[in-house]
Amino acid sequence: EVQLVESGGGLVQPGRSLRLSCTASGFTFGDYGMNWFRQAPGKGLEWVGFISIKSYGGTTEYVASVKGRFTISRDDSKSIAYLQMNSLKIEDTGVYYCTRVVTYSGYDSSDYWGQGTLVTVSS
Amino acid sequence: DIQMTQSPSSLSASVGDRVTITCRASQGIRNGLGWYQQKPGKAPKRLIYVASILQSGVPSRFSGSGSDTEFTLTISSLQPEDFATYYCLQHNSYPFTFGQGTKLEIK
Repeated sequence: EVQLVESGGGLVQPGRSLRLSCTASGFTFGDYGMNWFRQAPGKGLEWVGFISIKSYGGTTEYVASVKGRFTISRDDSKSIAYLQMNSLKIEDTGVYYCTRVVTYSGYDSSDYWGQGTLVTVSS
Repeated sequence: DIQMTQSPSSLSASVGDRVTITCRASQGIRNGLGWYQQKPGKAPKRLIYVASILQSGVPSRFSGSGSDTEFTLTISSLQPEDFATYYCLQHNSYPFTFGQGTKLEIK
């Protein structure tokens, strides 16, 4: 059974850093790209970023609002994807989800989602 | 970035009704469109991908159609468990972008 479990969320002051982890099981982690999404309280969903598989260079993509502050990485030996968040802002508050990415007919699509982890940026 | 305009933002309907939700893309996205269902306090669940492919395990009353800039999600006969918020997501190119969501409520 495919499972994704996010961890590392919590309360953090503006300007500080936090690292989220996404621990995967039930599939060969290294064969899949991974997306991160987030959802501010009471708001809609937002895509945050993506990391490809190692054989595609482990390339990353980010939404403009986090570019230069957030970094996605992966450790295939541990089946974990990371979201390193620096210079956090109040507007980064929300539930963060990791997802598995499946490529179908040239399109990347998120099939399985984790349960999410809450990040609260507040002084 | 590609803007996704989803309508309506909310919808009241009854069990057994046929419901349609629409998403329009600000530029062509071929068939790169997915639909997700989200219930309060839960992670989104994929219903449809590549515009019209039904996710395994999702009831056949859900269907997706469209291409290029206009897409629809149809629920042929609403069931009590379908009352939720629905989002479209363009997955044609990065940055991926969502519609604003449609909250489907019981009439």
